[in-house]
Amino acid sequence: GDSVTQMEGPVTLSEEAFLTINCTYTATGYPSLFWYVQYPGEGLQLLLKATKADDKGSNKGFEATYRKETTSFHLEKGSVQVSDSAVYFCALRGLGGGNKLTFGTGTQLKVEL
Amino acid sequence: NAGVTQTPKFRILKIGQSMTLQCTQDMNHNYMYWYRQDPGMGLKLIYYSVGAGITDKGEVPNGYNVSRSTTEDFPLRLELAAPSQTSVYFCASSQPGQGGYEQYFGPGTRLTVT
Repeated sequence: GDSVTQMEGPVTLSEEAFLTINCTYTATGYPSLFWYVQYPGEGLQLLLKATKADDKGSNKGFEATYRKETTSFHLEKGSVQVSDSAVYFCALRGLGGGNKLTFGTGTQLKVEL
Repeated sequence: NAGVTQTPKFRILKIGQSMTLQCTQDMNHNYMYWYRQDPGMGLKLIYYSVGAGITDKGEVPNGYNVSRSTTEDFPLRLELAAPSQTSVYFCASSQPGQGGYEQYFGPGTRLTVT
């Protein structure tokens, strides 16, 4: 079945540092890939997405490129802020019906001054 | 436009009690979902629905039931609460063909079973 593997956290960075959160997936065919963000005490919000190989999703300074050859969708940001502290989830939408998502376990990011 | 709303925000149940978690969306989405989130485990799909009157099991359906009588509402029922059902529950909705199939999430219900 479909699965998503993310790097474990927590990840602690200083403000303005470079961020990478690794995400790899296993799925049949060509899934759509997503990054969701969860701020403390809130539900998940879509951060960015990519629907086909080599697509780059971007939003709020975050980027991720859909790499079919390495089955990866790593999240990057050039300069993190304290306000980016949250839990980040990688997810895929596979070929099955119902628009179901398979999530990774989440990576907690803490950004310090 | 409130999006996806869930009630209650918090609940403590005793073992064997029952309760219903409410979920409502005002975006006229056909698809709705229930997830549970356990620490370090990501989100697991409990049940989903592709329209009023149609529901199907997800990855972890045991101990839960759902119904979908209207497009807006998708309640989740726990009949005999067990400590293993202590979790945070999220409801979500999406509309096929819109926004790359983005799912919109509610704020969650934190449930403790003791």
